[in-house]
Amino acid sequence: EVQLLESGGGLVQPGGSLRLSCAASGFTFTTYAMSWVRQAPGKGLEWVSFIGYSGGTTYYADSVKGRFTISRDTSENTLFLQMNSLRAEDTAIYYCAKARSGNDNQFDYWGQGTLVTVSS
Amino acid sequence: EIVLTQSPATLSLSPGERATLSCRASQSVSSYLAWYQQKPGQAPRLLIYAASNRATGIPARFSGSGSGTDFTLTISSLDPEDFAVYYCQQRSNWPLTFGGGTTLEIK
Repeated sequence: EVQLLESGGGLVQPGGSLRLSCAASGFTFTTYAMSWVRQAPGKGLEWVSFIGYSGGTTYYADSVKGRFTISRDTSENTLFLQMNSLRAEDTAIYYCAKARSGNDNQFDYWGQGTLVTVSS
Repeated sequence: EIVLTQSPATLSLSPGERATLSCRASQSVSSYLAWYQQKPGQAPRLLIYAASNRATGIPARFSGSGSGTDFTLTISSLDPEDFAVYYCQQRSNWPLTFGGGTTLEIK
């Protein structure tokens, strides 16, 4: 059974940093691209970042470029999102999502999400 | 950036009725379009990928159609569990984008 379990969310002050983790199990982690998708309270879905199955390719939404860094640890089957210079508008539930196949960025499994709140 | 516009924003129907949801792209996305369902407090669930293919475990009452810029998600006969928010998503171009969502509510 595929499982994605996010952690690392919490309350942080503007300008602060957080590192989100997503522990993956039930599939061959090294053969699927992964993404982070967020959802601000009461709002729609926003794609944040992508990492290819090999880890060599990454993409970011303009809203987070230069502040967020996606990475993956294949030995631990874990996806990460390092978030720096956080802003109030980064407040959201952050989901990790698995590509349906290879680099096919249609997401067939999602974690339960971790809440990030940026506030003083 | 490809903008996906979903309509209507809210759709009020009764169980057993047919639902038709629309997603229009600002430029062609070929067939690289997915549909998701999200219920309150839950993560999204993939319903349709590549415009017309049902994901694993999705009931046959859900179907997708379209290509290029105009896409439709049809639910042939609404079950009470189908009332939720529906999003479309394109993977044709970076950045990946989602539509704003259609809320399907019980009439």
